[in-house]
Amino acid sequence: SQQGEEDPQALSIQEGENATMNCSYKTSINNLQWYRQNSGRGLVHLILIRSNEREKHSGRLRVTLDTSKKSSSLLITASRAADTASYFCATDAQGNEKLTFGTGTRLTIIP
Amino acid sequence: DAGVTQSPTHLIKTRGQQVTLRCSPKSGHDTVSWYQQALGQGPQFIFQYYEEEERQRGNFPDRFSGHQFPNYSSELNVNALLLGDSALYLCASSLGAGGFPFFGPGTRLTVL
Repeated sequence: SQQGEEDPQALSIQEGENATMNCSYKTSINNLQWYRQNSGRGLVHLILIRSNEREKHSGRLRVTLDTSKKSSSLLITASRAADTASYFCATDAQGNEKLTFGTGTRLTIIP
Repeated sequence: DAGVTQSPTHLIKTRGQQVTLRCSPKSGHDTVSWYQQALGQGPQFIFQYYEEEERQRGNFPDRFSGHQFPNYSSELNVNALLLGDSALYLCASSLGAGGFPFFGPGTRLTVL
């Protein structure tokens, strides 16, 4: 079963705008990660945030984590056409190394 | 340095048949995990192999089985295929069970 949900399910924005997607999860976690997937192919790791961290940056990516609300958000700034993809959050729990994925957000960047 | 590789890329089978998918881990990795991703869904954990043994298993029936070889490569076997087994099967390797996972490109299985 899926651990959580991404919101929105689909998002279309103009190139250059910022894209924000949210992830909610159900149980206590050790880490939360965000992945990108192009056209049903393999997953590309974007960023990992640990349960004791609240915010993390990597290039144009900004991730926040609120463990009290069991939620995370991924912000992509200055979007590009190449950012068009599906984005998934994935969590793992202490002593349980499997990744539990959300349902994904399909992001479309309009040139 | 080759990343995670999977074969075949695509596969078409009919209901009731059996299939074997293969995964070679990233160089230096010793742990392999398998995930099933149905169309429009997120990946779901099938099982993980470490030291040639199944360490952890998700909510999948016994029709799904696996194997890890001494060189750390792995196979996923699915027996008595159902239409619902149609999916992208992803392999991820890591160094140790809790190590950072690297994903392969996946095998697209279609069951007719």
